[in-house]
Amino acid sequence: DIQMTQSPSSLSASVGDRVTITCRASQSISSYLNWYQQKPGKAPKLLIYVASSLQSGVPSRFSGSGSGTDFTLTISSLQPEDFATYYCQQSYSTPWTFGQGTKVEFK
Amino acid sequence: QVQLQESGPGLVKPSQTLSLTCTVSGGSISSGSYYWSWIRQPAGKGLEWIGRIYTSGSTNYNPSLKSRVTISIDTSKNQFSLKLTSVTAADTAVYYCARDYEITMLRGVMYWFDPWGQGTLVTVSS
Repeated sequence: DIQMTQSPSSLSASVGDRVTITCRASQSISSYLNWYQQKPGKAPKLLIYVASSLQSGVPSRFSGSGSGTDFTLTISSLQPEDFATYYCQQSYSTPWTFGQGTKVEFK
Repeated sequence: QVQLQESGPGLVKPSQTLSLTCTVSGGSISSGSYYWSWIRQPAGKGLEWIGRIYTSGSTNYNPSLKSRVTISIDTSKNQFSLKLTSVTAADTAVYYCARDYEITMLRGVMYWFDPWGQGTLVTVSS
């Protein structure tokens, strides 16, 4: 199985901050990397697919980059509705696997 | 707009079989090139992919659960289902169904989960 490791596991930030979350794969996965946002009691929501493509309806302050084994999700200016947990997921080979999540909390 | 909704018992006894159904609305489960997946999340923990089924009935399972999992599809009802046998407390989780969206790009066939159902909590307890 391909292991996905996110860092940090949690972070504290303020509205307006630039936030960067990192995801590392245990082997090269090209651009087969997706990002999801999950709020408490809700299902995950797709933000970014194929490493850097923004899902329709997702604000442009979200962006993704990377290829191979190292990927980043960036929120350019954190908004109140962005406080949530973020997961990366590889779709290079089954079983699909997720990172352990990064919780973005209010400072 | 496609929507998914999970249904099934919220409480299952240890050693019994967990059975859930996902009903797809807003579109045919047979249209397009889609797999349909089950994913679970224990309370306060991360996401685990259980497996998926194609409209043809072809399946892929997570090896960690493969011996206990069966996913089936009923295109006439626009539903797909999950059965997990011999459950223990470790199987207590919120279970989500999701469309495994597929697209062919120059670099290959890409997949992502969208949309998701709202999730259903299944507790394994006597």
